[in-house]
Amino acid sequence: DAGITQSPRHKVTETGTPVTLRCHQTENHRYMYWYRQDPGHGLRLIHYSYGVKDTDKGEVSDGYSVSRSKTEDFLLTLESATSSQTSVYFCAISEAGGDNNEQFFGPGTRLTVL
Amino acid sequence: QQPVQSPQAVILREGEDAVINCSSSKALYSVHWYRQKHGEAPVFLMILLKGGEQKGHEKISASFNEKKQQSSLYLTASQLSYSGTYFCGTEDLRGGTSYGKLTFGQGTILTVHP
Repeated sequence: DAGITQSPRHKVTETGTPVTLRCHQTENHRYMYWYRQDPGHGLRLIHYSYGVKDTDKGEVSDGYSVSRSKTEDFLLTLESATSSQTSVYFCAISEAGGDNNEQFFGPGTRLTVL
Repeated sequence: QQPVQSPQAVILREGEDAVINCSSSKALYSVHWYRQKHGEAPVFLMILLKGGEQKGHEKISASFNEKKQQSSLYLTASQLSYSGTYFCGTEDLRGGTSYGKLTFGQGTILTVHP
C-alpha cells in the first residue's frame, strides 16, 4: 500500500472556525490532490498540487485553500468552516506525467461542521 | 462536467456477471476505475488509455470506446468481495497541463449476495 496518512481522521468543529487537514506521503510522488466525497456526488476535486509550492484550483475550491511547502505534505485549510463543508475528505497522490498515473488514496478525514 | 455512470446500483448473486458503464461528453485521454468499500478509501483497479488495449485482471476487465467517449467495466463470475461502489474517473485530452486531474462519476453500487 502507498504510504499516505491523513490527520486528523475525525473532526467536529463549529461554524466559523478555521480547520486544517493534513496529508502526508512517504512515496515522494510529485502530484497530490484533495477531494471531498458527498452522497450522490462521488469524488470532487478541491485543489491539487503538481510540485512544491505549485498548486491550483479544482472544481469545488471556493472556501478552501491549500499549501505545499514540502514534497511530502499537502495541507487543506477551511478558513471559516460552514455546514456545507461537512464531508469526507480524501487526499490522493500520483506520479502522473506518464501513462500509469493511477491515484492512491489516503484513509480519509470525516469532518463535521456544526 | 461529471461523467455519467450506469446503472446507479446493481444486485447480483455470486457467480453472476455485471457491466458498469461510464460515459463522458468530453474527449478523453484516459479512464480510471476504482472500487470503494463502505468506510474505506477508493482503491485503484485499472487505467484505460486512448489508443490502448482492453485491460483486465482475474475476472474484472474494462474497455474504452474512444469514438463514443465511453468505458465499460466487466465483472464476471462475481464474488462476495466484489461488493462496493465503483467509480470511473476521466482525464481529459492532455494539453500539457492535465496534471493527472480526474473527474469522477457519481458511482455504481454493486451488491453481491451468496
